[in-house]
Amino acid sequence: QAALTQPASVSGSPGQSITISCTGTSSDVGGYKFVSWYQQHPGKAPKLLIYEVSNRPSGVSNRFSGSKSGNTASLTISGLQAEDEAHYYCSSYGDNNNLGVFGGGTKLTVL
Amino acid sequence: QQQLRESGPGLLKPSETLSLTCTVSGDSISSRYYWGWIRQPPGKGLEWIGSVSYSGRPYYNPSRKSRVTLSVDTSKNQFSLKLNSVTAADTAVYYCVRQIVATLGIDYWGQGALVTVSS
Repeated sequence: QAALTQPASVSGSPGQSITISCTGTSSDVGGYKFVSWYQQHPGKAPKLLIYEVSNRPSGVSNRFSGSKSGNTASLTISGLQAEDEAHYYCSSYGDNNNLGVFGGGTKLTVL
Repeated sequence: QQQLRESGPGLLKPSETLSLTCTVSGDSISSRYYWGWIRQPPGKGLEWIGSVSYSGRPYYNPSRKSRVTLSVDTSKNQFSLKLNSVTAADTAVYYCVRQIVATLGIDYWGQGALVTVSS
């Protein structure tokens, strides 16, 4: 069982915006700024989309944005495109040097 | 261009020890990063197993700590994972990764190595 809770699936139409939530506790998401988001296409390794809650690595589209409120982090994808269809995972630092507390993943379907 | 590549046996029997090595190219493993392992059972999500710092200090997932050993070989620019007493539940794709110390974001991933545990 994953430590962070994500919805199993979300969907949206091209051009729309969607938000994926990631809920933890004060021992992980709520207690630290180290929340990351990853995109994984089938058969591929994950790709870093967001780090430190809301920062994008170089080369990641500004259609991807992150935020956090209390124990819940969120990933918003605006202007949905067909290639955004993938699994998305959140991750956070956790107490006692737990460098990688992951969510269970969310499958995004672009209708 | 940073590259990471996993190597090791792809098939194990229950109770054996899983041993994987990650070879790093394009950068020195002594650079200021964490070098880690993440696994993904077929059709399931990601699980952080552990990471080792550039100085060799290990950090383990508390739920796996009793069975995991991480190490670094700076002379070969490699780091390694050992997971003992494997069961079918350890069947997964194992990724070696580079994790940025300052942000904990994982910016480079290996291609992944499928390890199957079966009698």
